[in-house]
Amino acid sequence: AQSVAQPEDQVNVAEGNPLTVKCTYSVSGNPYLFWYVQYPNRGLQFLLKYITGDNLVKGSYGFEAEFNKSQTSFHLKKPSALVSDSALYFCAVRDSYDMRFGAGTRLTVKP
Amino acid sequence: DTAVSQTPKYLVTQMGNDKSIKCEQNLGHDTMYWYKQDSKKFLKIMFSYNNKELIINETVPNRFSPKSPDKAHLNLHINSLELGDSAVYFCASSPRRHNEQFFGPGTRLTVL
Repeated sequence: AQSVAQPEDQVNVAEGNPLTVKCTYSVSGNPYLFWYVQYPNRGLQFLLKYITGDNLVKGSYGFEAEFNKSQTSFHLKKPSALVSDSALYFCAVRDSYDMRFGAGTRLTVKP
Repeated sequence: DTAVSQTPKYLVTQMGNDKSIKCEQNLGHDTMYWYKQDSKKFLKIMFSYNNKELIINETVPNRFSPKSPDKAHLNLHINSLELGDSAVYFCASSPRRHNEQFFGPGTRLTVL
C-alpha cells in the first residue's frame, strides 16, 4: 500500500529564515505526491504536486518541494518564512483508489 | 462563489440520533469525497464517489452512508450516532480521481 510519513510533529522557524517540512513516501510504481496546508478552523488547501518532470516543483504562496527518488522524499520548502505561514501541513500520496495523507506537521513561524 | 460548501458548520446532537451533513461543489468536478479529521488532526478517507461508483473505506462503520442526488452533491448520513463520531468532517472534490482535491470548510460534529 502507498503511504507517506511526516517525521516531525512540529517545526519552529524564525520569520525570514528558510523552512523545510519533511515528507517521505513508500509507493509501488511512480509516485503522485501532494502538499496541502490547513489553517485553523479551515479546510485543507492544495499547495503543489509532483506527477512527473522537474524534481523541483513550485506551488502557491512561494512554496516549493523537491522530489528525491533515491531518498524517497518530497520535502516542502520556502526560502523565507512568514508568520502567516504558521499552519498545519499535510503531505499526501495517490493511493490506488484515493489520496492517503500523512499525520501532518505543525509549522510555527515566530516573529 | 464558494467552491465546496458544507452545511451545517456546527452540529451538536445526542447519542443515538440520526443526522446528515450536506456537501455541494460548483466546480463541475467528477469525484467527491468525505473525510474525518479527529482531535489529533489525523485525516482519514471515508468515501469517494465517482460517476456513481462508490469506494468505501472498509474501516468505516455501516452507520455512515453517503448519498449523491447528482454530480454536484454528496451528502453524508449518520445513523445511531456514538460519542466516537465526534470529529470534523470534510467534504472534498477533484476533477478526476487522483487529481488534487478541493476541500470544504468542514462540519464540526459533537455527540453528547
